[in-house]
Amino acid sequence: GIQVEQSPPDLILQEGANSTLRCNFSDSVNNLQWFHQNPWGQLINLFYIPSGTKQNGRLSATTVATERYSLLYISSSQTTDSGVYFCAAPSGSRLTFGEGTQLTVNP
Amino acid sequence: DGGITQSPKYLFRKEGQNVTLSCEQNLNHDAMYWYRQDPGQGLRLIYYSQIVNDFQKGDIAEGYSVSREKKESFPLTVTSAQKNPTAFYLCASSAGSGPAYEQYFGPGTRLTVT
Repeated sequence: GIQVEQSPPDLILQEGANSTLRCNFSDSVNNLQWFHQNPWGQLINLFYIPSGTKQNGRLSATTVATERYSLLYISSSQTTDSGVYFCAAPSGSRLTFGEGTQLTVNP
Repeated sequence: DGGITQSPKYLFRKEGQNVTLSCEQNLNHDAMYWYRQDPGQGLRLIYYSQIVNDFQKGDIAEGYSVSREKKESFPLTVTSAQKNPTAFYLCASSAGSGPAYEQYFGPGTRLTVT
């Protein structure tokens, strides 16, 4: 099955800083999902992005399917951005998740 | 409001007991999924169902069972055969199955077995 790797595993920022999270996948995919898991465990859908770039407020995501990677950009980070960010790639009828990036934004 | 509900939020059981976790969706989605998450790790697929009365094993199905008698409901039973049942369980659904469909998640159930 498809392999999904995320980097970095941990990231600590000061409020206001920008960051880039990376997701590499081992095979070509038709789309990619990015999620934010909040401290209560809820997975929030951030982006559903087959290719190209999408933006939602301070967050944007770019997927380059031909090169098998996706990037999540967080600008002007806030303490509420803290949590774990997951990317997930489809393999047949299922999603395969990466191990996540633990983001901590300090005030 | 459309969404996915899971109950209860926290569940405590003694070793050797079977326990059933509830997952209900009112999104009219055909496909439903159960994932397990252990501390500091990603999600792993337990079972999924593409249509009513049909389901398939995921990557870690041993010690679990499911049913899909109604479109909106996909309960998961953690049996006494599951060696390490303590974990965070997440249910998800999508309009259809396959890579073209976005998955949405419920709030999860934290199961502790002692």
